[in-house]
Parts: sequence; structure tokens; C-alpha cells
Amino acid sequence: KAGVTQTPRYLIKTRGQQVTLSCSPISGHRSVSWYQQTPGQGLQFLFEYFSETQRNKGNFPGRFSGRQFSNSRSEMNVSTLELGDSALYLCASSLGPTRETEAFFGQGTRLTVV
Amino acid sequence: AQTVTQSQPEMSVQEAETVTLSCTYDTSESDYYLFWYKQPPSRQMILVIRQEAYKQQNATENRFSVNFQKAAKSFSLKISDSQLGDAAMYFCAYRGWGTGNQFYFGTGTSLTVIP
Repeated sequence: KAGVTQTPRYLIKTRGQQVTLSCSPISGHRSVSWYQQTPGQGLQFLFEYFSETQRNKGNFPGRFSGRQFSNSRSEMNVSTLELGDSALYLCASSLGPTRETEAFFGQGTRLTVV
Repeated sequence: AQTVTQSQPEMSVQEAETVTLSCTYDTSESDYYLFWYKQPPSRQMILVIRQEAYKQQNATENRFSVNFQKAAKSFSLKISDSQLGDAAMYFCAYRGWGTGNQFYFGTGTSLTVIP
């Protein structure tokens, strides 16, 4: 079956713009989490969604937001982009919102802010 | 908050040899999961192996095994018979009850396999 699909794969935006990233989880998976990966900060948790509800949120400013649709696809939005938002954004999907369930990651979206 | 530490930014191993990657973590929880993920140049994180804290037996997956020392909060990964395809970034990760469903990742170890 298809894996986790993230679109687009690469994105270049200008400082001050906003961006929307998309994640389609594995079919049947209802939990989606987002992580930011940078050389300086490593992998940091952004938020987690399950059945269209945000269950958990990391320590990021309000410019970072997300949502999940009824088909479990998720989007994350970053408004008023800053240079420091340049990163690889990874999405992970799992069957449910429990730590026992295996998480499958997508290949990420590489965002460059110029 | 939980912290995960990988003290080896880079490691190298000769093909067919064995290498051990180190990981320590800090937590006040007694029940949790630990993971090793591999991130090749394709950027996709791939699960290598996982260990539940309540299971005393160390997990193994083919050439990959762990040495889980709960009291010492240590979780090392041993790769036997290293292959060129093992070259990647390896991340140690923690997932517990009080942390929701999120992973806490270490900073990673870049593994080079020398032919």
C-alpha cells in the first residue's frame, strides 16, 4: 500500500509570505504528526492530530498552525515566514494516537525561506 | 521534559564489521518506548528497531540489536555485518505516556560504511 505522501517536496518562499504543506497518511491511519528538522535544533515536534482534533502541540509560535480533514489528510500552515523557518518538515502517520502504534514517516517537504 | 542524547555525531565502520551507536536518555517515567530510526539521503525516516521499557529482553531485528540498560538509561544500537546500505543518519528516539504521542529525538549519528 502507498506510504505517507508529503507535497510539495521542495518549496522556496520569501520572508513574510505564508506557506501550506500537505500530508496524506497511509490509508486507514487516523493520526498525523508533524516535525521540523533543522541542523541547529534537530527534530522538533510541532503538533499531532487525530480524528480532526489537535491532541498535542509543541513549543512553536502561533504562526505555525495545522488541521486535519475528515479523510485524515493534514495540512500545516506557516504565516509570516522567517528565515529561521527554513527546514525539512516531516509528517508521520499511525493507526492511532498511542505510543504503541508504529509511526511511518514521509520524505518531507524542504522549505527554504529567502 | 524528556531528553535524548547521542554523543557520537559521526561514526565509521568497515564493511562487514560491527559498529555500536550510543544513546542515553533522561526520564522520570517507568513505562515508555525507545526507537532507532534511520534517515538515508532520501530523507525518509525508517524504523530500525524498537524496545518497550518493560521488556527486559533486548530487541533484535536481523543484523540490528540493542543493548537496553534501563537503570543506566542507556539504549545503544549494534549493527553487525555492516553493509553499504547501512550508511545514513541514525536517530535515537523516546516516546512515553506523559509526552502524548510525540517522539523526542536525539541529535543523530552519521554512519559511514567504508568498502
